[in-house]
Amino acid sequence: RKEVEQDPGPFNVPEGATVAFNCTYSNSASQSFFWYRQDCRKEPKLLMSVYSSGNEDGRFTAQLNRASQYISLLIRDSKLSDSATYLCVVNFGGGTSYGKLTFGQGTILTVHP
Amino acid sequence: DAEITQSPRHKITETGRQVTLACHQTWNHNNMFWYRQDLGHGLRLIHYSYGVQDTNKGEVSDGYSVSRSNTEDLPLTLESAASSQTSVYFCASSESTGQETQYFGPGTRLLVL
Repeated sequence: RKEVEQDPGPFNVPEGATVAFNCTYSNSASQSFFWYRQDCRKEPKLLMSVYSSGNEDGRFTAQLNRASQYISLLIRDSKLSDSATYLCVVNFGGGTSYGKLTFGQGTILTVHP
Repeated sequence: DAEITQSPRHKITETGRQVTLACHQTWNHNNMFWYRQDLGHGLRLIHYSYGVQDTNKGEVSDGYSVSRSNTEDLPLTLESAASSQTSVYFCASSESTGQETQYFGPGTRLLVL
């Protein structure tokens, strides 16, 4: 089983749609969680951190369920510029995992007119 | 503004040659990381460093080495390039808390013929 698993998609949605991505992680001791965005042939960039209480940044909402080891990202009112690969990222915590991030393979989103 | 840069951005080399990829950050971050990204594998950690004179192996370190002589730089060396090392290489850095997000450089596309 992969340590961080995502549905690779691709998700093809029209502008204005709401789309949700899910991610599961294997290590129950995981300490911090992120969603990164990666545009074609570019570097990954932090989209948002994911907090236990859930958090929102404009059209983007992230949720964390520690009991189910599950993270989600909801995008409302999709824009053409949201087309990208979305990476679920987990920090498994201290010890030998100190400072290291584990990446899911990414979910591809294409928003069309 | 602080940043992280990589050079060269593109490189073509032949099998058996030694290649060094440069990574330079001005964030004054102690933690630095090297990843490779391939289709079907996502981002995989090659080597990482928590500070000057510290280096550690990641999950795919065979055939690669790094050195950390100052805070700003973590060069990645391919000792004897192989076709299997054709990939996109990303350098990243983060602060010292262990749970902070990582900031990525723009990447180096390496082709080994």
